[in-house]
Amino acid sequence: DVKVTQSSRYLVKRTGEKVFLECVQDMDHENMFWYRQDPGLGLRLIYFSYDVKMKEKGDIPEGYSVSREKKERFSLILESASTNQTSMYLCASSLYGEQYFGPGTRLTVT
Amino acid sequence: DQQVKQNSPSLSVQEGRISILNCDYTNSMFDYFLWYKKYPAEGPTFLISISSIKDKNEDGRFTVFLNKSAKHLSLHIVPSQPGDSAVYFCAASAGAGGSNYKLTFGKGTLLTVNP
Repeated sequence: DVKVTQSSRYLVKRTGEKVFLECVQDMDHENMFWYRQDPGLGLRLIYFSYDVKMKEKGDIPEGYSVSREKKERFSLILESASTNQTSMYLCASSLYGEQYFGPGTRLTVT
Repeated sequence: DQQVKQNSPSLSVQEGRISILNCDYTNSMFDYFLWYKKYPAEGPTFLISISSIKDKNEDGRFTVFLNKSAKHLSLHIVPSQPGDSAVYFCAASAGAGGSNYKLTFGKGTLLTVNP
């Protein structure tokens, strides 16, 4: 079974802090994705990567950056957290169409 | 511009009856469609998919129907069970390779199955 793990289930940070969300997959997948889920807005793609050191902006990249130094690991970085970045963050990986998701990180920025 | 639309935010059905969740899309390049199920505080889990070369795909109690001319797909759950209560997301992708592995998701439909 594919396993996608995220570093924290719940995280509370202060406005202006730098925040790192880590995601690791164990199936040698080429593609990795970061989404955020907000009520009434569904899943929105922040960034994705289809190879090591490769990244592409998704639909809502503003305020975020990513890093993929190793194939199995994809990090989402909030350079200066703001209250409007309070959300559920979901990481996913895929080889072909079907994406496998991690359990999510509920981030609260106060 | 929303390319994948789930127009019903919520749906309530009785246990044992059929649940029908609908999804419309606007991008004619989409050729692969998926349904995901999501419980609160968990990541989405893949349920069933369909390629545009088919019009139906079945897996146990779950069947997905695709009407390409109408740009419409639906998920049928028969019989519905209380454990099916979750948010269901429709997703679509356009072809294989590189960034086309990206999925576009709808906003989701909350299904409640009442005992």
